Amino acid sequence: EAEVAQSPRYKITEKSQAVAFWCDPISGHATLYWYRQILGQGPELLVQFQDESVVDDSQLPKDRFSAERLKGVDSTLKIQPAELGDSAMYLCASSQGVGGGTEAFFGQGTRLTVV
Amino acid sequence: SQKIEQNSEALNIQEGKTATLTCNYTNYSPAYLQWYRQDPGRGPVFLLLIRENEKEKRKERLKVTFDTTLKQSLFHITASQPADSATYLCALLWYNQGGKLIFGQGTELSVKP
Repeated sequence: EAEVAQSPRYKITEKSQAVAFWCDPISGHATLYWYRQILGQGPELLVQFQDESVVDDSQLPKDRFSAERLKGVDSTLKIQPAELGDSAMYLCASSQGVGGGTEAFFGQGTRLTVV
Repeated sequence: SQKIEQNSEALNIQEGKTATLTCNYTNYSPAYLQWYRQDPGRGPVFLLLIRENEKEKRKERLKVTFDTTLKQSLFHITASQPADSATYLCALLWYNQGGKLIFGQGTELSVKP
């Protein structure tokens, strides 16, 4: 069964350092989402891609966060510099996109701890 | 901006009973309303969706209703089992925003044997 792959699974970094997360969506899925989830809360949408284009990044803290999906396949989310408040689970999800199936398939997530 | 509200308090029920979870939203009705299950430390898993022109959807022991007038969805699990214990997330998707998918904060369900 096809899955969304994320790496690393866990990441500990010191504040002010740079950190990057990688996501490989299910093959053929045009839409890719990055979410941040703080313990006890729901996933918060950070950025949404349709193929290689950003559809929505209104909640992405652009002074420190960046995201790219250069060839419309896998994606990278970067934080520089990391702050203590960035400690959370970072989830990637993909779907076939508008016109296709709308259900989102999630990866296992990356648990980030900033110390 | 759109807001989604789910029961913030955990729901504790006895095995065999029906669990009912609520999802309320503000502003514009979405094209789709979806429900996901999330277990601790794992990503959400899609359960089922209902379209804006549908009133009710069923899948095995799950039932979802969608009232666009009240701006509310109810999610029912009948004959609940301890294995149903998890956090359940409501999510709304808008086609006119390119398939933007927004989640509520989730409701934790605990089914006691």
